[in-house]
Amino acid sequence: DTEVTQTPKHLVMGMTNKKSLKCEQHMGHRAMYWYKQKAKKPPELMFVYSYEKLSINESVPSRFSPECPNSSLLNLHLHALQPEDSALYLCASSSRGYEQFFGPGTRLTVL
Amino acid sequence: GEDVEQSLFLSVREGDSSVINCTYTDSSSTYLYWYKQEPGAGLQLLTYIFSNMDMKQDQRLTVLLNKKDKHLSLRIADTQTGDSAIYFCAENPMNYGGSQGNLIFGKGTKLSVKP
Repeated sequence: DTEVTQTPKHLVMGMTNKKSLKCEQHMGHRAMYWYKQKAKKPPELMFVYSYEKLSINESVPSRFSPECPNSSLLNLHLHALQPEDSALYLCASSSRGYEQFFGPGTRLTVL
Repeated sequence: GEDVEQSLFLSVREGDSSVINCTYTDSSSTYLYWYKQEPGAGLQLLTYIFSNMDMKQDQRLTVLLNKKDKHLSLRIADTQTGDSAIYFCAENPMNYGGSQGNLIFGKGTKLSVKP
């Protein structure tokens, strides 16, 4: 299995909602990442988990809360988002730090 | 700081070769990457090159690295309409937690292939 899966594929939420994005990989990778990609822009790193511990937080607002419950799963909890948070949220994983494999992304729209 | 530059657009005819260029700034980057993104999709790792290599070939793809000029290129031979996508160049600067593979992306080059 050489795949990173993400659910849901699309998500529409209001500014007062709480929702979660889920990412899963079964490649035994020990590093997992969240990226945010706005339209016509490159991905921007948000968080890095290494061996299930948060190792990098790129000054992301606290309305985004990552969680790594085990070595295969990565969640991104969303609360009180703003319309400007609408974007494609990409998850990636890596075993050796230099090959990152990306999931298909979750297209988030905040109304 | 880290910065990766790419031209934004490239248009070629089907069957021709495409060459996408990239310049990067951080000489500590151990690996340099090319990713492909089709509309509405995630990023697909096409290929990467280790910084002590000059060239890497993988079927229709050829990567050239000029470390002195910090210039990276991706050549796609016999370009097909299915190659139409955005191509991102990326580096992993070691002084940016590069041991964990943090990637800095260029803005992406949109390749259009005309039949």
